Amino acid sequence: GDSVTQMEGPVTLSEEAFLTINCTYTATGYPSLFWYVQYPGEGLQLLLKATKADDKGSNKGFEATYRKETTSFHLEKGSVQVSDSAVYFCALSGDYGGSQGNLIFGKGTKLSVKP
Amino acid sequence: KAGVTQTPRYLIKTRGQQVTLSCSPISGHRSVSWYQQTPGQGLQFLFEYFSETQRNKGNFPGRFSGRQFSNSRSEMNVSTLELGDSALYLCASSLKVTNFYNEQFFGPGTRLTVL
Repeated sequence: GDSVTQMEGPVTLSEEAFLTINCTYTATGYPSLFWYVQYPGEGLQLLLKATKADDKGSNKGFEATYRKETTSFHLEKGSVQVSDSAVYFCALSGDYGGSQGNLIFGKGTKLSVKP
Repeated sequence: KAGVTQTPRYLIKTRGQQVTLSCSPISGHRSVSWYQQTPGQGLQFLFEYFSETQRNKGNFPGRFSGRQFSNSRSEMNVSTLELGDSALYLCASSLKVTNFYNEQFFGPGTRLTVL
């Protein structure tokens, strides 16, 4: 079945450092890909998305490119801030049948940014 | 526009009891999905409802059930609670106007503790 694998954390960075969180997927067809962020005590917020190959999603300085040839959707940010400290989840949504109703998530990567 | 609301936010039950969680989607959203989040298993899809019909179901035992009302509000029920049911239960809503992916908006979750 469909699955998402993302790098395990925790990841600890200093403020203004470069961030990369790796995400690869296995899926039938042409899924949509997402990054969600979860701040302590809160639900999930959509950070960015890409719905077809070579699409680049971007938001709040974060970027990720849908690479079908490597089945990857790595999250990057050029300069992290303390306020970026959170758990980041990579997810996919299948493009077949009734599967559009559910997201398949990676295990999550906890990011801590130190001042 | 009000976001997805979930009630209650926190719940403590004992083994063998049953519990009902409620989710009110964003106004106009007709699809509601439920997810279970645990430290060990991560985020797992429970089920999705659209126009009062269950359209998709994850791999959970029959003790987990749900329903959706005509106003799109949804409830999920867990009967005969087990210790392993302790989790954060997240609800997400989307417009679902086409067969393609519609962005899911998450509520803050209900934290269930089973003693």
